[in-house]
Amino acid sequence: QVQLVQSGAEVKKPGASVKVSCKASGYTFIGYYMHWVRQAPGQGLEWMGRINPNSGGTDYAQKFQGRVTMTRDTSITTAYMELSSLRSDDTAVYYCARDHPDAEGTDYWGQGTLVTVSS
Amino acid sequence: DIVMTQSTLSSPVTLGQPASISCRSSQSLVDSDGNTHLSWLQQRPGQPPRLLIYKISNRFSGVPDRFSGSGAGTDFTLKISRVEAEDVGVYYCMQGTQFPPVSFGQGTKLEIK
Repeated sequence: QVQLVQSGAEVKKPGASVKVSCKASGYTFIGYYMHWVRQAPGQGLEWMGRINPNSGGTDYAQKFQGRVTMTRDTSITTAYMELSSLRSDDTAVYYCARDHPDAEGTDYWGQGTLVTVSS
Repeated sequence: DIVMTQSTLSSPVTLGQPASISCRSSQSLVDSDGNTHLSWLQQRPGQPPRLLIYKISNRFSGVPDRFSGSGAGTDFTLKISRVEAEDVGVYYCMQGTQFPPVSFGQGTKLEIK
């Protein structure tokens, strides 16, 4: 069965960087794009970007261009999302989500990683 | 970018009664192949989102048949035929046709009476 298991909660100071991992299992990792979506406390869903695990190619939302880097390690079927120059309004739960094979969108989601930015 | 706008449910829904949530996009979601990439997600309290419906009306694996999707172009609807207690949560529509970016509606909260 498809599983996406994310790394644990992080607390960071403003200006720092955070790197969240997403370990995939139960399917062919390089066959599906991986999306990253975040959700601020009590708020809705915000798409950050996606990575092609086969080629490493990325598409980022304009809002995060220059601050976000998505990478992958195919040997351990893990995707990463690094966000730099953190601000307090980056406090959110960050999700990875697999691309749907038959539609433009997502199917399986990770459990989420809470990133708290506080001085 | 496409803006997705969802309706709100005016009051809690009675167990066993139907519920309907609307979603409207600022532009047509039909792509050049004639496909419409509109999905519905459910987020139960404290849980990650879960895919319910993709391409307007296709139920994802394991989704009960009381959930159904309909619509075309810019107007879409998620219907729950008989609401159950486990359906409490927030429902989001999501478009992937005009990409990037993927965009989400603001969410619609379903409460049970």
